[in-house]
Amino acid sequence: QKEVEQDPGPLSVPEGAIVSLNCTYSNSAFQYFMWYRQYSRKGPELLMYTYSSGNKEDGRFTAQVDKSSKYISLFIRDSQPSDSATYLCAMSAPGGSYIPTFGRGTSLIVHP
Amino acid sequence: DAGVTQSPTHLIKTRGQQVTLRCSPKSGHDTVSWYQQALGQGPQFIFQYYEEEERQRGNFPDRFSGHQFPNYSSELNVNALLLGDSALYLCASSKEGYGYTFGSGTRLTVV
Repeated sequence: QKEVEQDPGPLSVPEGAIVSLNCTYSNSAFQYFMWYRQYSRKGPELLMYTYSSGNKEDGRFTAQVDKSSKYISLFIRDSQPSDSATYLCAMSAPGGSYIPTFGRGTSLIVHP
Repeated sequence: DAGVTQSPTHLIKTRGQQVTLRCSPKSGHDTVSWYQQALGQGPQFIFQYYEEEERQRGNFPDRFSGHQFPNYSSELNVNALLLGDSALYLCASSKEGYGYTFGSGTRLTVV
C-alpha cells in the first residue's frame, strides 16, 4: 500500500462545475498537507498549504483535511478551462525537513 | 525574483551512459531536493542537499548521486543509465523546510 493514494482520473467536467479532488493516506505522522497544480510538461506549482485538520479557502479553491479519516480534499468552484491540469496532493511530517510525499495526481479536464 | 531554474530542458541519452542535471534554487533558499516523475506518476523523492551534504535519501540506487555547491546550486548525476530512468527530473528548493518551490524539470529520455 502506498503512503498516499490518489485516483488518477481523468475527471472531466463542464465549465462552471464544482470539482472535488481527494487523497487518502496511511501515515499518521503527516501534519502538513499541500495541493500542487501541474500543467503538461511543467513543474508542480503550490496551490494550497494546510497545517493539521480543518479548512482553508483561497479564492475559488478550498482545501479540507480530516485527520481522523486520513482524507484530504480540494474543491474548485466555478471551474474554468484554464484549470485543466494534473492536481497532486502532497503531505509531510515534522522533522526530516518536511519533505513532501506525493500522490500520483488526478488529471482534470474542464471543457467549455 | 527568479524561481528555480533547471538545465537542460530536454536530454536524450543512450543506455549505459552517464548524465548530469543542474539546478539553481530560488533566491533565499538553501536546500535543494531532487524528484523523479515517471509518466502518469507523482514525483518520487530521490535525495535532499543542505549545507553541501546529502541530508536525506529516498529509495533510489547508488547510481543516483548528487552535489551541492557553496552557492546552493546542485547537480544530479545518474550513472549506467537504464531505459527505466526515462522521466521528468524535478528540482525543488526550500528554506528551513518551508516553501518547496519546483523548477520546470529536465525531461530525460534513455534510448
